[in-house]
Amino acid sequence: GAVVSQHPSWVICKSGTSVKIECRSLDFQATTMFWYRQFPKQSLMLMATSNEGSKATYEQGVEKDKFLINHASLTLSTLTVTSAHPEDSSFYICSARDRPYTGELFFGEGSRLTVL
Amino acid sequence: EDKVVQSPLSLVVHEGDTVTLNCSYEVTNFRSLLWYKQEKKAPTFLFMLTSSGIEKKSGRLSSILDKKELSSILNITATQTGDSAIYLCAVEGLEYGNKLVFGAGTILRVKS
Repeated sequence: GAVVSQHPSWVICKSGTSVKIECRSLDFQATTMFWYRQFPKQSLMLMATSNEGSKATYEQGVEKDKFLINHASLTLSTLTVTSAHPEDSSFYICSARDRPYTGELFFGEGSRLTVL
Repeated sequence: EDKVVQSPLSLVVHEGDTVTLNCSYEVTNFRSLLWYKQEKKAPTFLFMLTSSGIEKKSGRLSSILDKKELSSILNITATQTGDSAIYLCAVEGLEYGNKLVFGAGTILRVKS
């Protein structure tokens, strides 16, 4: 089955630094990937839709300059948390479809970010 | 605004019990409703429902969609401790990218 890989799975950083999280579709091409954020005991909140070769579409309330998304190829999207603060600590998950619009949505394993 | 509401928020049962999880939704131009199971990491796919009244079944799990009532249920029979997880319901509408809107989830704990 289709696989989405996320890296790193766990990262600790200091306040003010930037952290990059990668999301790769390993055996299929994904023109669209989705980035979610999940706080403890809460549901997944969509942050943005990452579109290959163009700008990401951000959800209301998500800071574009803080959460930089790049989708440079059909198999890779990156989320960079810039100038991280402790309130950015969260579980970040990406997902992608193996076929546009009708394919099943596969999730990466998630990346747990802790900002000290 | 698209919305998904799940109930109950949490549930504790004993092994062998049957549970029913509920999901109601409001979405513009409904396309599908999906159920996921989340344990420690990312959600794993359970069911995708697009047609009303047709039950989907996988082992002890089954789910059905009621488009008239804008709702779905997920049934788990003969529960096992391995069923303990967060069960997430999500809906997608006919818009660009088909993004999913998730409910808050139901935390299920099965005691032995």
